[in-house]
Amino acid sequence: NAGVTQTPKFQVLKTGQSMTLQCAQDMNHEYMSWYRQDPGMGLRLIHYSVGAGITDQGEVPNGYNVSRSTTEDFPLRLLSAAPSQTSVYFCASSERGWSGNEQFFGPGTRLTVL
Amino acid sequence: AQTVTQSQPEMSVQEAETVTLSCTYDTSESDYYLFWYKQPPSRQMILVIRQEAYKQQNATENRFSVNFQKAAKSFSLKISDSQLGDAAMYFCAYISNFGNEKLTFGTGTRLTIIP
Repeated sequence: NAGVTQTPKFQVLKTGQSMTLQCAQDMNHEYMSWYRQDPGMGLRLIHYSVGAGITDQGEVPNGYNVSRSTTEDFPLRLLSAAPSQTSVYFCASSERGWSGNEQFFGPGTRLTVL
Repeated sequence: AQTVTQSQPEMSVQEAETVTLSCTYDTSESDYYLFWYKQPPSRQMILVIRQEAYKQQNATENRFSVNFQKAAKSFSLKISDSQLGDAAMYFCAYISNFGNEKLTFGTGTRLTIIP
């Protein structure tokens, strides 16, 4: 199993550009989520999904869109990048049914918006 | 809303010694889980240990153990016999057991191991 994979690992954008961060998992996990990590602020939840076709907002959803057409994939779209979106982005997945399930994280994407 | 507080931005410990990382949280719920995640320089988040709120016994995983004080809403991580590979950011996290899969993280503690 590859676990949770994220592409790209690094990305530089100009203000106003759009892009999609890819996330995939091969563990047949129903729950997937996106976090952003900023210095001194820990990880904050952007969006999450409890299954294919179902998504919901987290703590900091503005400026981001998600969709979940398959169990495996959960892309994060930046519609019009802003410098405030410079961050490290993590995708995570876990089994449903028990809140104590471990969330498995991808290696992260470091995004810089100029 | 639930909050998780880690009041120690940085900690250091001599190799082979013991260190305790602090975490407090605020919730009105009685059924939840608490976690400690480790983030080494590679950035990969790794689960260290988890604790269910209804279990009175403190969780232990090899050299890692917790001191869970439910009434005080405190969840500290003790690392015994510290090793160079323990150097990392450590995040405390909370999740409700009432169908809410939102994991709330603290701001992290950077642990340095002194050889």
